[in-house]
Amino acid sequence: EVQLLESGGGLLQPGESLRLSCAASGFAFKNYAMNWVRQAPGKGLEWVASISDNAAVTYYSDSVKGRFTISRDNSNDTLDLQMTSLRVDDTAVYYCAKARSATVVAALNAWGQGNLVTVSS
Amino acid sequence: DIQMTQSPSSLSLSVGDRVTITCRASQGISKYLAWYQQKPGKVPKLLIYAGSTLQSGVPSRFSGSGSGTDFTLTITSLQPEDVATYYCQRYNGDPFTFGGGTRVEIK
Repeated sequence: EVQLLESGGGLLQPGESLRLSCAASGFAFKNYAMNWVRQAPGKGLEWVASISDNAAVTYYSDSVKGRFTISRDNSNDTLDLQMTSLRVDDTAVYYCAKARSATVVAALNAWGQGNLVTVSS
Repeated sequence: DIQMTQSPSSLSLSVGDRVTITCRASQGISKYLAWYQQKPGKVPKLLIYAGSTLQSGVPSRFSGSGSGTDFTLTITSLQPEDVATYYCQRYNGDPFTFGGGTRVEIK
């Protein structure tokens, strides 16, 4: 059974940094692209970042480009999202999501339970 | 950037009714379109990918159609457990934009 377990969320002030992690199990992690998707309270889904199976390709939404970095460790089956210069509008539940294939050009067929990040002064 | 527009934003129908949700891309995206279901308080779930391919385990009352710019998600007979918000997503390239969502309720 595919499992994605996020960790690292919390309450931060504007301008601070945070690292989210996602521990994967139940599938060959190194063979699949991975993604971060977020959902602000009461709002819809927003794609944040994607990384290919071997980390050769990464993409970011304009809203986080230059501030967030997606990375992966295929030896330890983990996905990370390093978030810097956090803003109030980064407040959201952050989901780790597995792609259906090695490339980022794929639908997302497994999702973690989500991790709340709150940015407030 | 390609925009994804869903309609309607919400609907309320009776059990057994046919549900039709549309998703329009501002530019052609071939069949690189997925549909997700998010029940209240739950994690999103993939229903359909490649515009019309049903994800394993998804009930056959769900179907998808379309290519290019216009796509449709259909529920042939609405069930109480289908109460959810439905999202489309393009994945043919960056940015992998979601539609705004369609909330489906039972009348």
